Formats: sequence, C-alpha cells, structure tokens
Amino acid sequence: QTVVTQEPSFSVSPGGTVTLTCGLSSGSVSSSSHPAWYQQTPGQAPRTLIYTTNIRSSGVPDRFSGSILGNKAALTITGAQAGDESDYYCVLYMGDGIWVFGGGTKLTVL
Amino acid sequence: EVQLLESGGGLVQPGGTLRLSCAASGFTFSSYGMSWVRQAPGKGLEWVSGIITDSSTYYADSVKGRFTISRDNSKNTLFLQMNSLRAEDTALYYCAKTPAGRSMLPLDWGQGTLVTVSS
Repeated sequence: QTVVTQEPSFSVSPGGTVTLTCGLSSGSVSSSSHPAWYQQTPGQAPRTLIYTTNIRSSGVPDRFSGSILGNKAALTITGAQAGDESDYYCVLYMGDGIWVFGGGTKLTVL
Repeated sequence: EVQLLESGGGLVQPGGTLRLSCAASGFTFSSYGMSWVRQAPGKGLEWVSGIITDSSTYYADSVKGRFTISRDNSKNTLFLQMNSLRAEDTALYYCAKTPAGRSMLPLDWGQGTLVTVSS
C-alpha cells in the first residue's frame, strides 16, 4: 500500500523560509494527485491552506504557497512567524475516489 | 459563512454502532461533495469517507464494509453510520465540505465530534 510521506519535524527561524514536502513511498506526486495542505494547532480543527496544488484557501496570506518540486508536492512558508508553529498535513488523491493524508510535519519556529 | 456542526459522538462498546450527523449551513449543500475525516488521540488525520453530489460513495480500506456515508439534501445533513466499531475507530470525527460537486477533498471543516470505542 502506498504511503504518503512528510518530514516528521522541521525548524525555521523567525522571518525565514521553509519548504515542507509531501511524497509517495512509491511513485511521484503530480498535479493529478491534487495535493492539499492543512495547518493544525493543538485542540483546533484543521485549517485548509492550499488545495489543488497551489490554490490558496480564503483568507490565507500569500506567505503560504504550494507547488510541485521534482516528484513531491511542496508547501513553502516565507517570512515565518511564531504563529506558524503548528502541525502541517498534506493529502493526496490516490484515484478511485480515495484520499490519503501524510503523517504530518511538526513545524517549530525558533 | 460555511458552518458545519457535527453531532452523535459518544462512548460505545466494541462491536457497537453509532450514527454521526453533520448539519450544514451557509452554502448550497446539494451542490457539493462532502467528506468525513478522523483523528485518533495524538495522531494524524485520516480520510474516512466521501460522497459526491450524485450520491456516489467512497471509503478508506480501514472502514469499508463497516461504515456507510449518506446525505439528506432536503435537511442539509451529512451522516456516517458506523457499525462493528473497534477500539481503533476511537477518534475525533470531522465533517468537511469540498470545493466542488464531484470532489471529496476536505476544504471547510467542522469542529468535530468525539467517538470513543471502549468496554
């Protein structure tokens, strides 16, 4: 069974830029995977940041952007802020109506 | 403003059943696909099931044959019937609106309802 892979943790300095990735244990991510990205802080429901590779959800600042980098989907955060410290999840479309989330990346801003 | 309000969670014994509901408002419910996503305590997100506007349904392997998703467009309500519940089904269950009628990608989220399967 194909697994969606994410970095378990990442660290970025305030004001810095970080790129989180979302890959497949077997195969490549493409736009047909319709990658989406979510931000979740403890005790809160997820917040959609990016969907269909690079469409920002309503109200999401342009510091957040999505793309395909090589064989993975990517979420880039520029000008990192303390409030960006969260868990970030990606989801990919596997075909046949099935979506699979990655295990999440815990982002630390320090 | 999109609002999604889940209900129906609770404590149930292994092998038991539970029916979750999600009351939707702020959009034309019948025009959008809907999904259920769950999150076990301290764990990541897991897509569970989705239903599109023609009522075609889709399930993760982990729940196929045990869970049934449905919708009542006249009541703007999404359901998840959960049978043969297992301890590993313990999670916070989120209802999510998708961006389009034939999509099941979670876009707008409710606050979740907690399901605990334990004897």
